[in-house]
Amino acid sequence: DVKVTQSSRYLVKRTGEKVFLECVQDMDHENMFWYRQDPGLGLRLIYFSYDVKMKEKGDIPEGYSVSREKKERFSLILESASTNQTSMYLCASSPSGTGPYSPLHFGNGTRLTVT
Amino acid sequence: GQSLEQPSEVTAVEGAIVQINCTYQTSGFYGLSWYQQHDGGAPTFLSYNALDGLEETGRFSSFLSRSDSYGYLLLQELQMKDSASYFCAVRGQAGTALIFGKGTTLSVSS
Repeated sequence: DVKVTQSSRYLVKRTGEKVFLECVQDMDHENMFWYRQDPGLGLRLIYFSYDVKMKEKGDIPEGYSVSREKKERFSLILESASTNQTSMYLCASSPSGTGPYSPLHFGNGTRLTVT
Repeated sequence: GQSLEQPSEVTAVEGAIVQINCTYQTSGFYGLSWYQQHDGGAPTFLSYNALDGLEETGRFSSFLSRSDSYGYLLLQELQMKDSASYFCAVRGQAGTALIFGKGTTLSVSS
C-alpha cells in the first residue's frame, strides 16, 4: 500500500515565522502535490512537482514555496507565516504512469494554526 | 482556467440511492475523478471517467457526458459509513495536476 506521511498532524506557529511542512512517500512516485483545504472552498492546489528539483505553481502559490531535493520528499515552505495561512494542508503523490490517469494518494494532513 | 460546480450538501436515509452532480469548465479535458473524504481523514480515490458512459464499482457508479461537461456519482444501498464529503476533480491537460470541486457533504441517517 502507498504511504504518504506528513511530518506533523497539528502545528501552531506565530505570525512571521518560517514554517516547513514535510511530506514523504514510499512508493517511488514521480509526482507530488500540495493542496490546502478550507471549509466551503474544497481542495486548492498550491504547488506540484513532476520530478526532483522541478516545481510548478498551482492556483494559489502566493506566500508559499516548495523544495524537492529527493524523489520521495516534497516540502512546503511558508516564508513568513500569516494568519490567513491557517488551514489544513494535504500532501499527495501519484505515479507518472503511461495512461492518462494516475490516482492521487493523500497523506492525513497537517492542521496548521498561525497565531 | 478550470472550475467545477457540485452541490454543497445532500442528505439521504440508509438503503436509499443518491446522485451527486458535477459540472465542469476546462480549457481541455482529460478525465473526471471522484474522491471520498471522511471527517478527519485523507481523501481517497473512488472512480475515474475518461469516456462517456457509466463506470460501476460495487455500490458506487460514476457517469460522464463530455458534450454536457457533466458527470455524477451514484451511490446505491446507502450505509451510515457513506456519510462523508465527495469531491469531483478534473485534469485539464495531460501531465497537469487535478483541480477539485468544493465538495459535497453527504449525510446518511437511519
